[in-house]
Amino acid sequence: NAGVTQTPKFQVLKTGQSMTLQCAQDMNHEYMSWYRQDPGMGLRLIHYSVGAGITDQGEVPNGYNVSRSTTEDFPLRLLSAAPSQTSVYFCASRILAGMANEQFFGPGTRLTVL
Amino acid sequence: LAKTTQPISMDSYEGQEVNITCSHNNIATNDYITWYQQFPSQGPRFIIQGYKTKVTNEVASLFIPADRKSSTLSLPRVSLSDTAVYYCLVGGLSSNTGKLIFGQGTTLQVKP
Repeated sequence: NAGVTQTPKFQVLKTGQSMTLQCAQDMNHEYMSWYRQDPGMGLRLIHYSVGAGITDQGEVPNGYNVSRSTTEDFPLRLLSAAPSQTSVYFCASRILAGMANEQFFGPGTRLTVL
Repeated sequence: LAKTTQPISMDSYEGQEVNITCSHNNIATNDYITWYQQFPSQGPRFIIQGYKTKVTNEVASLFIPADRKSSTLSLPRVSLSDTAVYYCLVGGLSSNTGKLIFGQGTTLQVKP
């Protein structure tokens, strides 16, 4: 299993540009989420999904859109990039049932907005 | 969701036992306590989870008192490679919301 994969690893955008951060998992996990982590800070939840067709907002959803058309994929769209969105973005997934709050994280995408 | 409070940083030396305490005064009945570890430039990694009393795995132990308003992550005999940020999370397993909110975390520095 590849686990959770994210592309690209690095991205530089200009203010106002849009782009999509890709996230995929091959573990058949129902739950997927996106976090951002600013330098020296903890992770903040942007959006999450408990299954295909179901998404909801986290702590900092403004400026981001998500969709979940399949169990495997959970792309994050930046509508109009701003310097305040410069951050490292992590995607994570886990099962919903059972005894574990164990989320599996991807390697992250480092985004710089100029 | 219950808010968590942890020390910002801790120092230790190789071979010592390290205990990191997390406060979660507003923990709900359905909430579990989960700890993650994060190395620089990597995503967090699950360490341990518990509901009450004590849980132990090959990496750490988790102590939860009866009132569940706090928890302590115990790392036995730390090494330099345990230098990382440790996050305490509180969230429910049984609900379908699935939200897990990270706090600021505790930066553990292990010295030789």
